Amino acid sequence: AQTVTQSQPEMSVQEAETVTLSCTYDTSESNYYLFWYKQPPSRQMILVIRQEAYKQQNATENRFSVNFQKAAKSFSLKISDSQLGDTAMYFCAFIRNSGNTPLVFGKGTRLSVIA
Amino acid sequence: GAVVSQHPSWVICKSGTSVKIECRSLDFQATTMFWYRQFPKQSLMLMATSNEGSKATYEQGVEKDKFLINHASLTLSTLTVTSAHPEDSSFYICSASPGRGTDTQYFGPGTRLTVL
Repeated sequence: AQTVTQSQPEMSVQEAETVTLSCTYDTSESNYYLFWYKQPPSRQMILVIRQEAYKQQNATENRFSVNFQKAAKSFSLKISDSQLGDTAMYFCAFIRNSGNTPLVFGKGTRLSVIA
Repeated sequence: GAVVSQHPSWVICKSGTSVKIECRSLDFQATTMFWYRQFPKQSLMLMATSNEGSKATYEQGVEKDKFLINHASLTLSTLTVTSAHPEDSSFYICSASPGRGTDTQYFGPGTRLTVL
């Protein structure tokens, strides 16, 4: 079975600073995908970034980037130039190579951006 | 991008009554939909996987007779909470997948259920 671990229940960062959220996972699968989802107070799940396990290049989306270390089974999220709107719960998630299987979520990290 | 809707967004009901929550994929066909439950300040807990035209697959510990799931078409799945009790109060979220070859799932906005 796959597991996803987020070891930081809460984090805070000053506006305009950079913060890194940690995520590790465990799987015996060779082909899979990793995601970071953001859940703001509205509770709508928003996809932040997606990484394909077979790609060595780290995914980036504007101010969001990941550090994907496949051998170490680590998938951290870096948020640059933090903005107040980044305040939210962040969930790391894993899925096998098919959309017909459910996402496996970590417990989440609550990020607060402080003005 | 793909859009998934949920209805209602918020429902309050009396203990003992049944509540139906709808999950619709608005601009794509969803061969598979997933139902999650989320308690305050916690992660999403998978309740069941719903495939169009077949019976749902429930996770261990989820009562099939209490949480009835129907996936009658490629754009609609429903979750019915039968004989609701206060402990069923929670936030229910659905997600939808276009199917094989696609890893991305799209989430609905969630339904807040309060049972009095």
